[in-house]
Amino acid sequence: DTAVSQTPKYLVTQMGNDKSIKCEQNLGHDTMYWYKQDSKKFLKIMFSYNNKELIINETVPNRFSPKSPDKAHLNLHINSLELGDSAVYFCASSQYGGNGNTIYFGEGSWLTVV
Amino acid sequence: GESVGLHLPTLSVQEGDNSIINCAYSNSASDYFIWYKQESGKGPQFIIDIRSNMDKRQGQRVTVLLNKTVKHLSLQIAATQPGDSAVYFCAEKSGAGNMLTFGGGTRLMVKP
Repeated sequence: DTAVSQTPKYLVTQMGNDKSIKCEQNLGHDTMYWYKQDSKKFLKIMFSYNNKELIINETVPNRFSPKSPDKAHLNLHINSLELGDSAVYFCASSQYGGNGNTIYFGEGSWLTVV
Repeated sequence: GESVGLHLPTLSVQEGDNSIINCAYSNSASDYFIWYKQESGKGPQFIIDIRSNMDKRQGQRVTVLLNKTVKHLSLQIAATQPGDSAVYFCAEKSGAGNMLTFGGGTRLMVKP
C-alpha cells in the first residue's frame, strides 16, 4: 500500500496549458505539503495545508493553486504553464505539532513543459 | 571519505567501507533534524532523525551526529552497500507549520 500517492507520475505538456497533479495520503495525517525539486535536486516547500487550511504559502506564482477537498487530499493546479515550471513535484504528509513529526513523501510527479 | 552536502557533491566509496555525509544547517532555532535518502526516480525516504536535545542517535548501520555549536549534522553509514547508492538530504524543522527546510543533497556512489 502506497502511503502518499500522487498522479500522474509523468506529465509532458505545452507552454500555456493548465494541468493538475493529484495527491492522496492514507496515513491519517492532518497536514499535507507540496515540494518542488529542480534539476539540481534542490527541494523547496511550496505549500502546506493543515486540516484543509493553508498554513504555508512560500513565494510561489499565483498560477499555482493548491486545493484540499479534505485532509487526505491535496491537489495542485497550475495555470498557464511556463518552461521554468519543469521540475519534479512531491506531495508529502505529516501529523502536525510537537517535535519529531516525520514528513512522508510521495514518489513524485515529473512535469516537463515544452 | 567525507563530503559536504552543498550543490550536490558526490561521495564515492568502496563497498564495505564506511561513509560520512556532512550537512551544515542554517537556523540555530531548529529543533528537529532528519536525514532522507532519495533513490533515482523515487521520492525522499526517511532514514533517521534526531532532536536538538541529543547529539547522537544510532539506527541500523546508520548514525546521526548533531553539533549544535557549529550547526553541523552528519550521517555515518557503516559497511556501505551498493543499495546505499542514492542522494542523501539533511532537513531541519523550525518555525510554524512543521515545515522542513532541506539542504542541497549529496550523491553517494558505492563501487562494488
